[in-house]
Amino acid sequence: DQQVKQNSPSLSVQEGRISILNCDYTNSMFDYFLWYKKYPAEGPTFLISISSIKDKNEDGRFTVFLNKSAKHLSLHIVPSQPGDSAVYFCAAISTTQGAQKLVFGQGTRLTINP
Amino acid sequence: EAGVAQSPRYKIIEKRQSVAFWCNPISGHATLYWYQQILGQGPKLLIQFQNNGVVDDSQLPKDRFSAERLKGVDSTLKIQPAKLEDSAVYLCASSPGTSGTRQETQYFGPGTRLLVL
Repeated sequence: DQQVKQNSPSLSVQEGRISILNCDYTNSMFDYFLWYKKYPAEGPTFLISISSIKDKNEDGRFTVFLNKSAKHLSLHIVPSQPGDSAVYFCAAISTTQGAQKLVFGQGTRLTINP
Repeated sequence: EAGVAQSPRYKIIEKRQSVAFWCNPISGHATLYWYQQILGQGPKLLIQFQNNGVVDDSQLPKDRFSAERLKGVDSTLKIQPAKLEDSAVYLCASSPGTSGTRQETQYFGPGTRLLVL
């Protein structure tokens, strides 16, 4: 039962162009969404988040868009840089009895080509 | 500020053996999480502690996995006996655990890569 899905295992983008990573979810109880970035041999690091009461959140080169009706969110990176090459995980929070339970997607490996 | 520390970084064992992983969270963080990340998948929560109490262990295979956080600081995750399908990266994360804050950023350690042969 995959509640958070990232259907693209990999994405290759040219340096300077826009990278768009997509994520779909099935659980309507999710009300907070996050993107994590992971380099090899390191743990995931928090990148950007969005609450379900918003449809857009921007932080520098990173923007997350949320479409609640479609249960879809996306991460835009503009312009893409070589250091952005990593695995990106979409995650969602479902609060059950006060516990903050983070549910992750499978990840998308982003490669930025010079 | 020191991050989340985990050891060992790598471990190779044979099936049916036992193994233990250690995690030291960021100083002052009340909430500690253990995740299992199988190759090609996202991290899956195994257990969550708030101080030394268990908040959620619904996805922990309790017949073989156990975890403790006796003094509310560092934590140990044990597998006994290990199976081939336990091969994964085990990630520890922590968050401040401030009362009333639901959406806290979780800070992850580098993980322990386990290979069961």
